[in-house]
Amino acid sequence: GAVVSQHPSWVICKSGTSVKIECRSLDFQATTMFWYRQFPKQSLMLMATSNEGSKATYEQGVEKDKFLINHASLTLSTLTVTSAHPEDSSFYICSASASGTDTQYFGPGTRLTVL
Amino acid sequence: GEDVEQSLFLSVREGDSSVINCTYTDSSSTYLYWYKQEPGAGLQLLTYIFSNMDMKQDQRLTVLLNKKDKHLSLRIADTQTGDSAIYFCAEKGGGYQKVTFGTGTKLQVIP
Repeated sequence: GAVVSQHPSWVICKSGTSVKIECRSLDFQATTMFWYRQFPKQSLMLMATSNEGSKATYEQGVEKDKFLINHASLTLSTLTVTSAHPEDSSFYICSASASGTDTQYFGPGTRLTVL
Repeated sequence: GEDVEQSLFLSVREGDSSVINCTYTDSSSTYLYWYKQEPGAGLQLLTYIFSNMDMKQDQRLTVLLNKKDKHLSLRIADTQTGDSAIYFCAEKGGGYQKVTFGTGTKLQVIP
């Protein structure tokens, strides 16, 4: 149980284009989903927290207009990197937690490379 | 803000025990977690402990919590080559508070 998937697992795009990453909870309803960014050999940096049906709460320093987050259903959240630049290249990981629980279950991550 | 520290690297021989240590600063932590990350993959929840517990054992894994010193450890008994990965400890405060991750400890198991 508690499986979270991400799609795509990796993506390469040209500078200036937008990329959408999906995060799905496969066997539970995720009232809260989290998006993290991980640089090589570093820890996870929380970007934003999203609750189903509400606007995402962004961490300080994260541009909400650049990293668009949608959590339209209890099983799906999307992160769209708009006008991507090479410095946006990173490993993006989502996690999800069910209502009334504190444990986060993580997706396998999406490696984004912007050329 | 909250801070979680770990040593960066640990090397052990196959069959030995591994102990990964973590210190944190948040005195209101309610949950403490251990996650495993294999290369190019997401994080796998290994175990967690409530802040009112001292110890939790789950098969080869033993978690020890010293709340007074804000010190958490993960002991892996009979370490195998498949245990080679990066291990993150993480803590969560009371109420709605984000989870803060440590810097990660890379465990290398030597055959």
